[in-house]
Amino acid sequence: SQTIHQWPATLVQPVGSPLSLECTVEGTSNPNLYWYRQAAGRGLQLLFYSVGIGQISSEVPQNLSASRPQDRQFILSSKKLLLSDSGFYLCAIRDRITNEKLFFGSGTQLSVL
Amino acid sequence: RKEVEQDPGPFNVPEGATVAFNCTYSNSASQSFFWYRQDCRKEPKLLMSVYSSGNEDGRFTAQLNRASQYISLLIRDSKLSDSATYLCVVNPITSGTYKYIFGTGTRLKVLA
Repeated sequence: SQTIHQWPATLVQPVGSPLSLECTVEGTSNPNLYWYRQAAGRGLQLLFYSVGIGQISSEVPQNLSASRPQDRQFILSSKKLLLSDSGFYLCAIRDRITNEKLFFGSGTQLSVL
Repeated sequence: RKEVEQDPGPFNVPEGATVAFNCTYSNSASQSFFWYRQDCRKEPKLLMSVYSSGNEDGRFTAQLNRASQYISLLIRDSKLSDSATYLCVVNPITSGTYKYIFGTGTRLKVLA
């Protein structure tokens, strides 16, 4: 079965600092990968999804970018964090074998101060 | 109109009660539907898929009404451990791309 590695679990960053969150998956190949953000008390917002290496679709204009340098690696980045970037960041995978279901990593709680 | 809408709750119910949540979606072309459960500060976890004919998993029953564009989740014999936020998820599948759209969730508190 697939495994999703996401780290760190918590992160505190100052405004204006850069960000890099990495998500790696095991036990599958050529998955669809997703980045979601959940602001405090809010629902999950789809930020980016990727259907393959180098293929990134952005859902909302924002201060973030994503990259997929390898089949099982998905990176979320920012050059300069804003206060509004605070939230719970979740990486997710759609494994074609598991019939369309979406599975999540354990998430990173980001606080921008 | 939001793509996926849910009553945020909270629903406070006693142990053993039956509780039902509804979720409406706006894209009539949506093809797959799910309920996820999310505990505080944790990642969402798949509870069950929702099939056109309705489906049951133990105390949980999910139903889909395509004509009215809503899905429902029924929990029978509520347990304290059922306390969580329940997220409705719709997959509109546009151009062969799977984009999972989440509702904001319905909070459930089961009281002793």
